[in-house]
Amino acid sequence: NAGVMQNPRHLVRRRGQEARLRCSPMKGHSHVYWYRQLPEEGLKFMVYLQKENIIDESGMPKERFSAEFPKEGPSILRIQQVVRGDSAAYFCASSHTGGASTDTQYFGPGTRLTVL
Amino acid sequence: DAKTTQPTSMDCAEGRAANLPCNHSTISGNEYVYWYRQIHSQGPQYIIHGLKNNETNEMASLIITEDRKSSTLILPHATLRDTAVYYCIASGDAGQKLVFGQGTRLTINP
Repeated sequence: NAGVMQNPRHLVRRRGQEARLRCSPMKGHSHVYWYRQLPEEGLKFMVYLQKENIIDESGMPKERFSAEFPKEGPSILRIQQVVRGDSAAYFCASSHTGGASTDTQYFGPGTRLTVL
Repeated sequence: DAKTTQPTSMDCAEGRAANLPCNHSTISGNEYVYWYRQIHSQGPQYIIHGLKNNETNEMASLIITEDRKSSTLILPHATLRDTAVYYCIASGDAGQKLVFGQGTRLTINP
């Protein structure tokens, strides 16, 4: 059973470009979470999505950041007009659903974004 | 989510049991205690979770006090590959975000 997959693993962008990060949840999981880890800091929650719905985006920056989880295909975290402060590791997690005891979040390997 | 408090760092000898404490004195009745670890800059790895009872799996044991205000993660026979940052998180019902603190940096020494 494949785990959570993220691609690309490393992404380099110049200031002002767009970054698209992809996350494929574990098989059978319909909940996706995005977290960001700035250098030398802990993980911070960004957004929680179910298929075609954003459930909680309380951790998302107000501008330039957006996320989607379409009916078909991976979840996408999109960062427009990147700035150097966006350089970080972005982790995706997925869970199955159905209550806290079965709703463990499993993490992918992350995408490391470097903005030049 | 309840706030958790962990020691900043710990050392343990290879082959010995590593006992990592966590305080969560404000935990509510429906919040589970989750443990994750992060090795280098890899994605966090789920270890174990529990509500009231002690739990054991192939990786570790989780001991939760009767009042649920603290818990201990036990790695029974630590190896060098267990060197990582360990996070204790109190989390509620389905869909809630995980709030990561600074964790405990565990170093296993040969």
